[in-house]
Amino acid sequence: NAGVTQTPKFRVLKTGQSMTLLCAQDMNHEYMYWYRQDPGMGLRLIHYSVGEGTTAKGEVPDGYNVSRLKKQNFLLGLESAAPSQTSVYFCASSYRTSGTQYNEQFFGPGTRLTVL
Amino acid sequence: AQKVTQAQTEISVVEKEDVTLDCVYETRDTTYYLFWYKQPPSGELVFLIRRNSFDEQNEISGRYSWNFQKSTSSFNFTITASQVVDSAVYFCALSEAGTGGFKTIFGAGTRLFVKA
Repeated sequence: NAGVTQTPKFRVLKTGQSMTLLCAQDMNHEYMYWYRQDPGMGLRLIHYSVGEGTTAKGEVPDGYNVSRLKKQNFLLGLESAAPSQTSVYFCASSYRTSGTQYNEQFFGPGTRLTVL
Repeated sequence: AQKVTQAQTEISVVEKEDVTLDCVYETRDTTYYLFWYKQPPSGELVFLIRRNSFDEQNEISGRYSWNFQKSTSSFNFTITASQVVDSAVYFCALSEAGTGGFKTIFGAGTRLFVKA
């Protein structure tokens, strides 16, 4: 099993350009998440999905959009990149068990994005 | 509002020393989960432990141990006889029942350096 994979690993954008980050998981997990990691701030939740076709806003959703058309994929889009979106982006997934959804998350390797 | 504070930004120890990483959390929920994750230099976050708010038993796993105290809202992590491979950034995280368990809040992380 590959676990959680992210594409691309690195990207440099100019201000105003758009791009899509792809996250894929092969563990049949129900829940998927996008985080950004900035120095001294830990991870902050951008958007999440509790199932195919559903998405919800996290802590810092502005400037991002997401889609989950297939259970195994979760896409993060930047429509008009800004320097403030320079960060490392992590995708994660977790599973549902009876009576709880507070299970641990499995993380991808991250995407390092620089916006000039 | 939920909050996780890891006051130690960086810790440096010599191999075989014991080290404790502090985590203090704030929540209004009576039901919540606490987590520790490790981020080695490779960048990918790895789950270490989960503890729910109704279980204050301390946990030991090899050289790792966790001390959960609701009275002080703390969930501290101790590494006994540290090794160079323990060098990483460690994150404490909190999920509240009130947010459905999906909006996990991470602390800023503690970077641990273990010198040979």
